[in-house]
Amino acid sequence: DTAVSQTPKYLVTQMGNDKSIKCEQNLGHDTMYWYKQDSKKFLKIMFSYNNKELIINETVPNRFSPKSPDKAHLNLHINSLELGDSAVYFCASSPGGTDTQYFGPGTRLTVL
Amino acid sequence: QKEVEQNSGPLSVPEGAIASLNCTYSDRGSQSFFWYRQYSGKSPELIMFIYSNGDKEDGRFTAQLNKASQYVSLLIRDSQPSDSATYLCAVGYMDTGRRALTFGSGTRLQVQP
Repeated sequence: DTAVSQTPKYLVTQMGNDKSIKCEQNLGHDTMYWYKQDSKKFLKIMFSYNNKELIINETVPNRFSPKSPDKAHLNLHINSLELGDSAVYFCASSPGGTDTQYFGPGTRLTVL
Repeated sequence: QKEVEQNSGPLSVPEGAIASLNCTYSDRGSQSFFWYRQYSGKSPELIMFIYSNGDKEDGRFTAQLNKASQYVSLLIRDSQPSDSATYLCAVGYMDTGRRALTFGSGTRLQVQP
């Protein structure tokens, strides 16, 4: 009964490739997020979706494209991967009307 | 630009002592405040949230909020080696109808047996 799950846990790929990370939450939350945590452990929001609608789109390259097929899923597709994309990507979710966020286990992306 | 500042540490305390972690934030309009614990290689785990000025206690943890000083702290009583982790302070804000959290860069806590 995992609350927020992500796949894959690890992703190693070459520069220039396209990859996707999937996120699912079974908490019934309305809002889902993608965060990037760099090597200095700084956690920065990338996107936020509320009921399948894009709410927050921080300054990230347009090579990153989120997609929310339904309220329980938020996927992240990354085109033309670059070395600087190497990081841990976390999905999170929160109930409607609150800021309390619950995080998935993370996906460690390594671009070679 | 909404900012959340934390001392990166490491903060080293002996087992059984009180660990005090501090955080300041820039947005005076912020209404919600969170502490997350992150073990190495793991995801952030929510341990406390506080909305009102004053103290909020949960077991060995106490969150303290002073909105006038824009200051949030987390006290961990009877610190255990298992408390060794990075503690992230997060502050909620509302901007043009959207809600989000801004995270500090975290304070690494080391509890010495």
